[in-house]
Amino acid sequence: AAGVIQSPRHLIKEKRETATLKCYPIPRHDTVYWYQQGPGQDPQFLISFYEKMQSDKGSIPDRFSAQQFSDYHSELNMSSLELGDSALYFCASSLAGQGYGYTFGSGTRLTVV
Amino acid sequence: TQLLEQSPQFLSIQEGENLTVYCNSSSVFSSLQWYRQEPGEGPVLLVTVVTGGEVKKLKRLTFQFGDARKDSSLHITAAQPGDTGLYLCAGVYGNKLVFGAGTILRVKS
Repeated sequence: AAGVIQSPRHLIKEKRETATLKCYPIPRHDTVYWYQQGPGQDPQFLISFYEKMQSDKGSIPDRFSAQQFSDYHSELNMSSLELGDSALYFCASSLAGQGYGYTFGSGTRLTVV
Repeated sequence: TQLLEQSPQFLSIQEGENLTVYCNSSSVFSSLQWYRQEPGEGPVLLVTVVTGGEVKKLKRLTFQFGDARKDSSLHITAAQPGDTGLYLCAGVYGNKLVFGAGTILRVKS
């Protein structure tokens, strides 16, 4: 069965550079979520989209932005990267509604040097 | 502060032992989910519990949702080395999933 696809798997950027992470949700899932997970921490919610419209926003820095496109894939854009942005970034998709679990991608490991 | 408090944080046991992981909150959740995460990989959904008092079994894993829908537990019977990993409880709060801090389980053979 198709899963949530994230690319790239690994990314190394220098401080102040820009990074773009991509996510392809499970077909027919109407909601996409982005999470950031630092070392030894639980995933922290960044932002979500329902039917291509932003539905909720968490602790996402102003330097970050995201959007969902007509084909339902989503991109997380990160500018003016800082060392503290180094983390695993996960995308997840689900069907909206109570009781539906989230399917997570394998994540993008971003390292800022 | 975490919306969902998980305990214990770490658990190291011998193969064949039983264990229980707890997930507690002062808030009511419409549903709670349990995930397992391997290092460098995304969390994988184990179960979703929706109804207060609900009990779900997945082979040697038993999940329970509290009557008041504020807490949940994961019980593993006869743990095996393959059960080693990070276990996360998560609840839908508003329109997003929030996680507990996780329980790192190590099962020694």
